[in-house]
Amino acid sequence: GAGVSQSPRYKVAKRGQDVALRCDPISGHVSLFWYQQALGQGPEFLTYFQNEAQLDKSGLPSDRFFAERPEGSVSTLKIQRTQQEDSAVYLCASSRQVRDEQFFGPGTRLTVL
Amino acid sequence: AQSVTQPDIHITVSEGASLELRCNYSYGATPYLFWYVQSPGQGLQLLLKYFSGDTLVQGIKGFEAEFKRSQSSFNLRKPSVHWSDAAEYFCAGERNTGNQFYFGTGTSLTVIP
Repeated sequence: GAGVSQSPRYKVAKRGQDVALRCDPISGHVSLFWYQQALGQGPEFLTYFQNEAQLDKSGLPSDRFFAERPEGSVSTLKIQRTQQEDSAVYLCASSRQVRDEQFFGPGTRLTVL
Repeated sequence: AQSVTQPDIHITVSEGASLELRCNYSYGATPYLFWYVQSPGQGLQLLLKYFSGDTLVQGIKGFEAEFKRSQSSFNLRKPSVHWSDAAEYFCAGERNTGNQFYFGTGTSLTVIP
């Protein structure tokens, strides 16, 4: 595709449910990033992949958050036992190589009730 | 600690007036610096970036930014604002020994006729 796509665009979950958010990066992009953007805030780094390797997961807020990119393309961010404080927009970005411009997807807005 | 600060939460300017959005960074080494714009319902779009070299960088949509090491600033400017420039603007930095992006909290721009 022409850009980074994310699905679903909107997700409502009941507290305690597990959710999975998908990111399709631009074809051929080596690097993939996940960010969390709370209302009225700037995006905050969660994790980073280079191809299939997760090189940095220091931003994941708890062990309920898990990300994977098994074949070095599509990535999934999974949140287990969702809490209300997980409500945010989750942004995915990809870049052609390390230290290059990041292209962002439209985000998935997660609301936990 | 590494951080990017945007002191202005909200700015209102008249259409045709000049614009300057402030960004300050705190990094030990020279960071890579970026300005992104986020319109409602849209993904983050890169306006411009500074890696090294010329401290005045030109971006898209008539924007420019100047890196000033002495002031630890990377302010975004536009000589004449258009109504379509109304959006949220984020400054971001990447320490050149890592791959984490640090975003500011954003500045919301309103353009009045």
